[in-house]
Amino acid sequence: QQQVKQSPQSLIVQKGGISIINCAYENTAFDYFPWYQQFPGKGPALLIAIRPDVSEKKEGRFTISFNKSAKQFSLHIMDSQPGDSATYFCAAVGGTSYGKLTFGQGTILTVHP
Amino acid sequence: SQTIHQWPATLVQPVGSPLSLECTVEGTSNPNLYWYRQAAGRGLQLLFYSVGIGQISSEVPQNLSASRPQDRQFILSSKKLLLSDSGFYLCAWKVSRRYNSPLHFGNGTRLTVT
Repeated sequence: QQQVKQSPQSLIVQKGGISIINCAYENTAFDYFPWYQQFPGKGPALLIAIRPDVSEKKEGRFTISFNKSAKQFSLHIMDSQPGDSATYFCAAVGGTSYGKLTFGQGTILTVHP
Repeated sequence: SQTIHQWPATLVQPVGSPLSLECTVEGTSNPNLYWYRQAAGRGLQLLFYSVGIGQISSEVPQNLSASRPQDRQFILSSKKLLLSDSGFYLCAWKVSRRYNSPLHFGNGTRLTVT
């Protein structure tokens, strides 16, 4: 019940295309859903986050879509660029967990020029 | 502004040797602190977390231990390293009173046990 399932494991997109990464969760106590971006040899960095009271959040080319009834959320990267090539992690956390994030397994995104 | 420091960046250690990785946070007080391990091509595994000095919770029984001797210092240790301890170790912190505050990671230590 604590798992967050992320797909696909890897994704190859052409420059200018749309990258879509999906996550699903079971624990209804989760109420904060961040996405992290990790470049090789670096620690993950917060990219964008959403709460379940909204269905969509957009920041620049990055959009989170959230479906509370389906317990699913996804990251859309519009106009994907080679510089977006990285590993992306979805995560979830609830109020009784000492702030411990439950991470998905990650998606390795490669954007070809 | 807050910063997190982790060292060393890379480390090669023989099997059976001890380990000490250190993490310090600047610019905040009483943070929640976390140690994660990332195996090659894999996800993030939470090893330990701490909500205060001397308070350590272990998520995965293993060959490692953690300590928090000061408010903003978190140490990961092992008495005898195993080959399976190889990986990318990440320290992270967040504001303690807000469970949904951002988690900030250091740049990690790449540990290779030979």
